[in-house]
Amino acid sequence: DTAVSQTPKYLVTQMGNDKSIKCEQNLGHDTMYWYKQDSKKFLKIMFSYNNKELIINETVPNRFSPKSPDKAHLNLHINSLELGDSAVYFCASSQAGQANTEAFFGQGTRLTVV
Amino acid sequence: AQSVTQLGSHVSVSEGALVLLRCNYSSSVPPYLFWYVQYPNQGLQLLLKYTTGATLVKGINGFEAEFKKSETSFHLTKPSAHMSDAAEYFCAVFTGTASKLTFGTGTRLQVTL
Repeated sequence: DTAVSQTPKYLVTQMGNDKSIKCEQNLGHDTMYWYKQDSKKFLKIMFSYNNKELIINETVPNRFSPKSPDKAHLNLHINSLELGDSAVYFCASSQAGQANTEAFFGQGTRLTVV
Repeated sequence: AQSVTQLGSHVSVSEGALVLLRCNYSSSVPPYLFWYVQYPNQGLQLLLKYTTGATLVKGINGFEAEFKKSETSFHLTKPSAHMSDAAEYFCAVFTGTASKLTFGTGTRLQVTL
C-alpha cells in the first residue's frame, strides 16, 4: 500500500495552461503539505493544511491554489503556468502535535512547462 | 527562526570508506532533527531522527547521527560506504510553532569504486 500517492508522476504542459496535481494519503494523518523542489534540489514548503484548514502559505503566488476536500486529500491547482513553475512537487503528510513523527513523502510530480 | 545548514553540496567517497555528511542547525528551542535520503527520481525517505533522549541515533542502512548541542550539529555518518548509498541527503529541522519541516540545501553523495 502506498502511504502518500501523487498523480500524475510526470506533467508536461505549455505556458498559460491550468493544471492540477492530486495527492492522497492513507496514513490517517491530519496534516498535509506541498513542497517544491527546484532544479538545484532545494526543497521549500509551499502550503500546509491541518484537518482541511490552511495553516501555512509561504508567499506562494496566488496562481497556486491548494484544495483539501478532506484530511486525506490535498490537491494543488496551478493557473496560468509559467516557465519558472517547472520543478518537482512533493506532497507529504504527518500527524500534528507529534513533532517526533516524521513526514511521509509522495514520489513527486515532475512538472515541465514549455 | 529555525534553519539548517549543510556543508558541502557534493561529497565523494570510495566504496568502503567512511561517510560523513555535515549538518548544523539554528534553533531557539530544542530542535527535532531529521535526515532524509532521496534516490534518483524518488521521493524522500526518512533515514533517522532525533527528538529527545539518546543523542546518538541509529537509522536505516547502517547510518547514524549524533546530536551535539554544544556544536549545534547533527552530522550523518556511516562506517563503510556502499555503491547503493549514492543519493541526495537532506538534513531537516521541525519548526514546532509553524508545524513545518525546514530542509537544508542537500548533499549529493557519490560513491566510487
